[in-house]
Amino acid sequence: DVKVTQSSRYLVKRTGEKVFLECVQDMDHENMFWYRQDPGLGLRLIYFSYDVKMKEKGDIPEGYSVSREKKERFSLILESASTNQTSMYLCASSLKTGVPLHFGNGTRLTVT
Amino acid sequence: SQELEQSPQSLIVQEGKNLTINCTSSKTLYGLYWYKQKYGEGLIFLMMLQKGGEEKSHEKITAKLDEKKQQSSLHITASQPSHAGIYLCGADKTGANNLFFGTGTRLTVIP
Repeated sequence: DVKVTQSSRYLVKRTGEKVFLECVQDMDHENMFWYRQDPGLGLRLIYFSYDVKMKEKGDIPEGYSVSREKKERFSLILESASTNQTSMYLCASSLKTGVPLHFGNGTRLTVT
Repeated sequence: SQELEQSPQSLIVQEGKNLTINCTSSKTLYGLYWYKQKYGEGLIFLMMLQKGGEEKSHEKITAKLDEKKQQSSLHITASQPSHAGIYLCGADKTGANNLFFGTGTRLTVIP
């Protein structure tokens, strides 16, 4: 089975901090995704990557950046965390399609 | 405005009952994807529908896509507590495999 692992289940950070969310997949998938999930808004795509060092903006990239130095790892970076970035963050991967098929368990981030 | 409407928003059923969840778009879709999310966890991919009129089943869950490719229904037969969770539909409206999602239906199954 494909495993997508997010490094933290819960994270509490202060406003202005730089925050790193890490995601690792173990199946050599080309595509990786970062979503945030908020009540009433559903899942929204922040960034996705279709190969090492390649990235594409999703629907809500403002305030975020990403890094994909190795195929198995996709990092989401909040350069200066703000309270409106408090959310559940979900990482996903897929082999070839741009459709996310395998999700991690999520990181619930609280920015105070 | 929400481009994918899911109904109902929440559903409470007795174990053993059948239920249906709907996902509707105002535009023709290239593909429709169903996921299940256990509370506080990631999503599990259930099924993909791409052709008008297509129907797929997995165990006791059946999903259909209408002929116009604007509405999909997810039907659970003889529900069990293990079916509880949030069901989300995702749709590809551009053919570029870029999904957008509905807000989900929260299903509770009472033993």
